[in-house]
Amino acid sequence: QSVLTQPPSASGSPGQRVTISCSGSRSNIGSNTANWYQQLPGTAPRLLIYRDNQRPSRVPDRFSGSKSGTSASLAISGLQSEDEADYYCAAWDDSLNGQVFGPGTKVTVL
Amino acid sequence: QVQLQESGPGLVKPSDTVSLTCTVSGGSISGFYWNWIRQPPGKGLEWIGYISYTESTKYNPSLESRVTISLDTSKNQFSLRLSSVTAADTAVYYCARAHFGYNFGPAYYYYMDVWGRGTTVSVSS
Repeated sequence: QSVLTQPPSASGSPGQRVTISCSGSRSNIGSNTANWYQQLPGTAPRLLIYRDNQRPSRVPDRFSGSKSGTSASLAISGLQSEDEADYYCAAWDDSLNGQVFGPGTKVTVL
Repeated sequence: QVQLQESGPGLVKPSDTVSLTCTVSGGSISGFYWNWIRQPPGKGLEWIGYISYTESTKYNPSLESRVTISLDTSKNQFSLRLSSVTAADTAVYYCARAHFGYNFGPAYYYYMDVWGRGTTVSVSS
């Protein structure tokens, strides 16, 4: 059972905006920065958002991250078919003294 | 451009020890934290642990008694040893490079920006 909570699925039509939530606690997201990883089918995860809201240079600006208190969110605007993937939130947890991942959210483009 | 490549036996027997190696190319070991993460079939990601460039280690408490991560800077490689494996250890094992530091005061940032493609480990007799 993950210490971070995500909805199992989310969906939207092409061009729409989809938001994925990640709920944690004071020992992880509430204290440290949150990250998001995208895993396309059959591939390794790749870093999408780091330090709450920073994007690696190769990531389109359609992807954005935010954080408030013990929760983080990932927004995908202008949804595209190639965005169909699993999305994982992650953070350092002070109680476990290690990296924790959320269970993942599968995004489907209708 | 830094690239990571995992290598390992593929198939191991229950109760055996599995050893995996991650080769780092195109960059230095120095300054980063080197991680192992695994993903059982159809499931999510599980962090196994890291070794830093100074060779300090930290492991997932749920696996700590069976895990050892080591570093060979002369070969630009780091390795994972997982002992007493069972079918529950069947997974794709990824290696990844992480940045670890302080974010404006006591808050940590920890993120993995370069990942290998993964290697499958199946535990079966």
